[in-house]
Amino acid sequence: IELTQSPGTLSLSPGQRATLSCRASDIIDSTYFAWYQQRPDQPPRLLIYGASTRATGIPDRFSGSGSGTGFTLTINTLEPEDFAVYYCHYFGTSLLTFGQGTKVENK
Amino acid sequence: EVHLLESGGALIQPGGSLRLSCAASGFTLDTYAMSWVRQAPGKGLEWVSGISASGGTTYYSDSVKGRCTISRDISSNTLFLQMNSLRVEDTARYYCAKSQGDMYYFALDVWGRGTTVAVSS
Repeated sequence: IELTQSPGTLSLSPGQRATLSCRASDIIDSTYFAWYQQRPDQPPRLLIYGASTRATGIPDRFSGSGSGTGFTLTINTLEPEDFAVYYCHYFGTSLLTFGQGTKVENK
Repeated sequence: EVHLLESGGALIQPGGSLRLSCAASGFTLDTYAMSWVRQAPGKGLEWVSGISASGGTTYYSDSVKGRCTISRDISSNTLFLQMNSLRVEDTARYYCAKSQGDMYYFALDVWGRGTTVAVSS
């Protein structure tokens, strides 16, 4: 399974909504799909698992949706700390895979 | 509190070997599966290897299969990645990450800060 994220870079301002996409090369079970955030010089942080369940401590402005081959991460009302790189992740086989990342930058 | 601390990264020549360590605290390695994930400078995340909670099953990416071995020591609660025949393209920051469950089919919910491996002559 290959994961392709779009766009590569998203230029937005604080307060705006961000919509990030991840497309799988074949139909996948959403149970084994997650999103991570990586801020500069920080390790990744789990945001969403099971395609739509927020991880512990993740604000409700983050939401995930999708099924089959198309998945979306939405960030409502961008906060300054949300400008980061976001990765999608599939772990339904023993060859785990990540998307190439989408950078959300401050316009 | 659950915590992961990697160590063992170094500057090493191509063809050399290195063993990375990841000290876990706040949980025991025989309860959760673990993974190593790397990130080359300026690049995205690449999963490298994983081990089940029982230790009985290990997994490797095609890029490291045959050159790396994942293992753990329950007595010290430490995860390892033995890396042999290192290549320039192995240069990356290596993170260890805890799975939410006992096998690979769970998300990675806790990450260490990573350790840097640089392969260069």
